[in-house]
Amino acid sequence: GENVEQHPSTLSVQEGDSAVIKCTYSDSASNYFPWYKQELGKRPQLIIDIRSNVGEKKDQRIAVTLNKTAKHFSLHITETQPEDSAVYFCAPRGGYNKLIFGAGTRLAVHP
Amino acid sequence: DAGVIQSPRHEVTEMGQEVTLRCKPISGHNSLFWYRQTMMRGLELLIYFNNNVPIDDSGMPEDRFSAKMPNASFSTLKIQPSEPRDSAVYFCASSFRTGGSQFAEAFFGQGTRLTVV
Repeated sequence: GENVEQHPSTLSVQEGDSAVIKCTYSDSASNYFPWYKQELGKRPQLIIDIRSNVGEKKDQRIAVTLNKTAKHFSLHITETQPEDSAVYFCAPRGGYNKLIFGAGTRLAVHP
Repeated sequence: DAGVIQSPRHEVTEMGQEVTLRCKPISGHNSLFWYRQTMMRGLELLIYFNNNVPIDDSGMPEDRFSAKMPNASFSTLKIQPSEPRDSAVYFCASSFRTGGSQFAEAFFGQGTRLTVV
């Protein structure tokens, strides 16, 4: 939680390529690491999350990896499709229950 | 459950008027968050409540903004007086947190698009 940074801020890929977005946080008490997807004009929605006792989690074409020592976690999307085009936010949470989002990564998948 | 419900969906008001945004969280959730989203500033956390109690309002931009949660099923965000720079999409979100600091998914309402002219 607290200081949260996402990289890159924009990402453009060809359909079928992979995309990786990284989130760095400062609160060492963080123990829950979700990623949200926001399509244009819609609300953010959870797509995948991971807890601190797990290093990696996969759900079909998306995966999240966690490096607690380095305080970062990443979203991986394989075989990207045009419907993956959206803004992706990370929102690590720790002891204070504050839900702070990163600045977002705008992913564009070109056919 | 119908999810988090916000009203109104759209609001257009004149500068100087009072604006009240409403949120009904998901039944059983004990945390509620208010956000403001703009292109320039992204998703800003304004205030959050645990068990209807305001915990952190450090994100509230100024005294013109106030928020209340009189019971577990209702919250309001009020802007008085409103200014053109308050134009944004305001989201409410709710989640459930156990006493052991185990966090869960936050569910967002559809948002209120506020335009102050």
